[in-house]
Amino acid sequence: QQQVKQSPQSLIVQKGGISIINCAYENTAFDYFPWYQQFPGKGPALLIAIRPDVSEKKEGRFTISFNKSAKQFSLHIMDSQPGDSATYFCAASTETSGSRLTFGEGTQLTVNP
Amino acid sequence: NAGVTQTPKFQVLKTGQSMTLQCAQDMNHEYMSWYRQDQGMGLRLIHYSVGAGITDQGEVPNGYNVSRSTTEDFPLRLLSAAPSQTSVYFCASSYFGEAAFFGQGTRLTVV
Repeated sequence: QQQVKQSPQSLIVQKGGISIINCAYENTAFDYFPWYQQFPGKGPALLIAIRPDVSEKKEGRFTISFNKSAKQFSLHIMDSQPGDSATYFCAASTETSGSRLTFGEGTQLTVNP
Repeated sequence: NAGVTQTPKFQVLKTGQSMTLQCAQDMNHEYMSWYRQDQGMGLRLIHYSVGAGITDQGEVPNGYNVSRSTTEDFPLRLLSAAPSQTSVYFCASSYFGEAAFFGQGTRLTVV
């Protein structure tokens, strides 16, 4: 059972554009929502994370928007750069689960110069 | 500070062979876990541990064993390798309720 659904599967954006990746979850016990960035041949690396007590969190060009009632959250990458080309995973966990993350299927982002 | 270290980086096994994937972390994290990453399926949890001596099953535990005798180490054992276990394996660790740090992965091929 896939508890976190991610879309789109792949995304192509021009340099300077906005990249938007969406995730939806089912388990209302989830209370921690991180996004990971993965380059080929590397492990996932934490990009930004949010807890459900806020609706938005911004770090540099990266913003998470969170809609608790809709059980959805999204990653926005402003002014996308070719160096942002990577696979992005949303994930979710509960307070007591620590490293026990449920991942979305991933989005392969390509930013064209 | 090495973070999460996985060995080996690459491994080829024949069907039926056994092996151990090593994982070590130097951040004194309580939580450690193993994931496998298959194309188009994201990462799926195999086993996890909330501390030394405590382990539990994740989403896809069949064919794998784990143990945690120390805080630092969390090895993953393949008992009898099968082609379906061809995958990239990631170990992760974290403090309670905090973000997980991942190793660089072990790419395993079973022929």
